[in-house]
Amino acid sequence: QSALTQPRSVSGSPGQSVTISCTGTSSDVGGYNSVSWYQQHPGKAPKLMIYDVTKRPSGVPDRFSGSKSGNTASLTISGLQAEDEADYYCSSYAGSYTFYVFGTGTKVTVL
Amino acid sequence: QLQLQESGPGLVKPSETLSLTCTVSGGSISGSSYYWGWIRQPPGKGLEWIGSIYYSGSTYYNPSLKSRVTISVDTSKNQFSLKLSSVTAADTALYYCAARYPPGEQFDYWGQGTLVTVSS
Repeated sequence: QSALTQPRSVSGSPGQSVTISCTGTSSDVGGYNSVSWYQQHPGKAPKLMIYDVTKRPSGVPDRFSGSKSGNTASLTISGLQAEDEADYYCSSYAGSYTFYVFGTGTKVTVL
Repeated sequence: QLQLQESGPGLVKPSETLSLTCTVSGGSISGSSYYWGWIRQPPGKGLEWIGSIYYSGSTYYNPSLKSRVTISVDTSKNQFSLKLSSVTAADTALYYCAARYPPGEQFDYWGQGTLVTVSS
């Protein structure tokens, strides 16, 4: 099972919006509404930001939003802030054989 | 609020078995409905799910690692453990333990991670 494909990096100025794509197949992203997104600052553990494609855990700012179309999921950060600079990983449930796959990771840079 | 903490040797020799333990606080492994899992991250690379266990002992593993992985739970100590056999340099990674609350398929809580280096 291959990793989900994400852009290596995206960047934006404070206040702007950036969108990170996460492309899989019909066996993972396209087949289940179980896409999640994690934020990882350097030297820190990943933090859940989005689950079930669009849902935000308590405490996650509403600047973070998720969506999905076909085999591609997306994470949008609106009103970019300096503290949003981090690595972001998507993940998807992939059925009862593979179970979970992660994305290749995207570095978000705030200019 | 669950807290997870990994522990174990930071250096393992090639061909030997990597053993890590995750201690759970803020909740009971057997009293909650969480699934407990292991995820790793090679230096500078992405995340890879290794496997998960329920307190009853039922397990499921990444097919690519299944032949070398054993995950077990010790409810009396509120811990669960990972064993990865026949390690090579490719198993050098930051190993995280994590918790998932079903029916969600996301990992809600993570430990801080522990670096394991495979080297002679």
